[in-house]
Amino acid sequence: DAGVIQSPRHEVTEMGQEVTLRCKPISGHDYLFWYRQTMMRGLELLIYFNNNVPIDDSGMPEDRFSAKMPNASFSTLKIQPSEPRDSAVYFCASMGTALNTEAFFGQGTRLTVV
Amino acid sequence: AQKVTQAQTEISVVEKEDVTLDCVYETRDTTYYLFWYKQPPSGELVFLIRRNSFDEQNEISGRYSWNFQKSTSSFNFTITASQVVDSAVYFCALSDPLRDDKIIFGKGTRLHILP
Repeated sequence: DAGVIQSPRHEVTEMGQEVTLRCKPISGHDYLFWYRQTMMRGLELLIYFNNNVPIDDSGMPEDRFSAKMPNASFSTLKIQPSEPRDSAVYFCASMGTALNTEAFFGQGTRLTVV
Repeated sequence: AQKVTQAQTEISVVEKEDVTLDCVYETRDTTYYLFWYKQPPSGELVFLIRRNSFDEQNEISGRYSWNFQKSTSSFNFTITASQVVDSAVYFCALSDPLRDDKIIFGKGTRLHILP
């Protein structure tokens, strides 16, 4: 398996634009997580899915953020409209089951909003 | 509430020295998992170890060792004979799979190994 695949690796956009980050989890994994990493706040869990269903989105900072998982092999995190304070590295991770397994992370998407 | 504290923000040691990274966690559950991840300068997050709450045996993997002590709610990570390639940010994390499926991370410790 190629691991968790995120795209794009880098994104630079202007304030106010819509940004869509993409993630392909490891095949057969039941869980998918979206994290945001910043210097100030570290790794924050934004939302996670179990079997394509959003379970907890309490970490999503504002209504400008939304995430979907239309099928077991694809998820998106969308920011609309984007703001400079959204600049961060966004990680997607997938996990097989909740018990006795670990999360595998993608390479991350470095988002810069200017 | 679940919480992971890595009090050491940044550590610098000279190559070949031993170094211990501290991790203290909080949870009300008796079943939980603890993890360590490494984030090298290239940015990816690399899984190092998972430990469940019922297994307090210390683990050794090459130059890496982990000390899990439930009495002090700690899961410390020691690198023996450190090398420059060990320079990275190290994250400790906690999950309570019987409560929810979140994995909560500490703020990380940035480790510099000086040649």
